Amino acid sequence: DAGITQSPRHKVTETGTPVTLRCHQTENHRYMYWYRQDPGHGLRLIHYSYGVKDTDKGEVSDGYSVSRSKTEDFLLTLESATSSQTSVYFCAISEWGASNTEAFFGQGTRLTVV
Amino acid sequence: AQRVTQPEKLLSVFKGAPVELKCNYSYSGSPELFWYVQYSRQRLQLLLRHISRESIKGFTADLNKGETSFHLKKPFAQEEDSAMYYCALPPGSNTDKLIFGTGTRLQVFP
Repeated sequence: DAGITQSPRHKVTETGTPVTLRCHQTENHRYMYWYRQDPGHGLRLIHYSYGVKDTDKGEVSDGYSVSRSKTEDFLLTLESATSSQTSVYFCAISEWGASNTEAFFGQGTRLTVV
Repeated sequence: AQRVTQPEKLLSVFKGAPVELKCNYSYSGSPELFWYVQYSRQRLQLLLRHISRESIKGFTADLNKGETSFHLKKPFAQEEDSAMYYCALPPGSNTDKLIFGTGTRLQVFP
């Protein structure tokens, strides 16, 4: 498996609290992505990064922010968690442009907002 | 805009039956396309990519530019093929986004 780790793996939090999920990679890949996975919706892109301090919004970015201060870490923050943000969150990394490139995924973080 | 459509949420077949999971895309230019698979409670992993034209676990997919499709096929389904399958469009010349379809759950019954 590619060196990509998500933490925490599981979290239960209360509505209105801030939550930060971490994605850590040891592959030195330039691109990092955060997705949420929900039944019937598949994988929806929240935010992504194409380099240190270079980030952009995906299709479901409202209520989320990200930061990437170094290559290996990409943080996803739920500014004020809501029940609609209960989901499984996946991080992915890639080095597009290299031969036989692909995206590698973390194991996911299961977040429950109560 | 880039888009991937998987029209079937669920596909159920019996072991030994042929399988076709549909994927249509919207993309200006010549796309690369991937199929990812997610077995129960595991991370997503690449199944195959069109550019390598390989067969993995008996699955194949052909890019049809005329129909803008990249359907995944297997002639004889196995129970261990039961999983979620996602079609994906990687970044192109004007975007860094990796876009997925909504996924198709394949159930293979014994």
